[in-house]
Amino acid sequence: SQQGEEDPQALSIQEGENATMNCSYKTSINNLQWYRQNSGRGLVHLILIRSNEREKHSGRLRVTLDTSKKSSSLLITASRAADTASYFCATDKAAGNKLTFGGGTRVLVKP
Amino acid sequence: DTEVTQTPKHLVMGMTNKKSLKCEQHMGHRAMYWYKQKAKKPPELMFVYSYEKLSINESVPSRFSPECPNSSLLNLHLHALQPEDSALYLCASSQDLTSGRSGANVLTFGAGSRLTVL
Repeated sequence: SQQGEEDPQALSIQEGENATMNCSYKTSINNLQWYRQNSGRGLVHLILIRSNEREKHSGRLRVTLDTSKKSSSLLITASRAADTASYFCATDKAAGNKLTFGGGTRVLVKP
Repeated sequence: DTEVTQTPKHLVMGMTNKKSLKCEQHMGHRAMYWYKQKAKKPPELMFVYSYEKLSINESVPSRFSPECPNSSLLNLHLHALQPEDSALYLCASSQDLTSGRSGANVLTFGAGSRLTVL
């Protein structure tokens, strides 16, 4: 079974708006990562947040982590058409070397 | 060089064919991965190689046979596949954690090989 579940499954917004997506997971984690995938391409690492961190920023990205609720959120501010992609959370248990991906959120940013 | 290169980009094969997918990285990473991804689904882990040894096999059918000839190369040999094996096959690499070094397991992915089994 998937470690992470994401919602919403799909999101459509206008350019300039913010996009927020959430990820929930089931077991304890070492860290949580977010990846982006443009249609039919490989995944690109966006940001990592460790289990002892609560919030992290990188450019227009803001990630939060609530280990008590086993959930994380990814916020993309001032979205651009180029942000159109699928976004996946991925969790890394302490054992390492095994990254498990959530179901993904498909984001469409309309110009 | 921060790329993972996968070949071919597209592959069409019959159920009786034997073919291979190839992956190469020159980042000095010691862990390499094969993931399978169906349309609108997340990537699913198939195999992990750590220091050129198979460390994880996620109960993948034997018609998929991985090979790691050296630390830079990873192959996936395909034989007697089924139409339901049609998918995007993604290779990835990362620094390995089994040595005990600190750091997270951040993956660098290739662009994928789109496989169609007729």
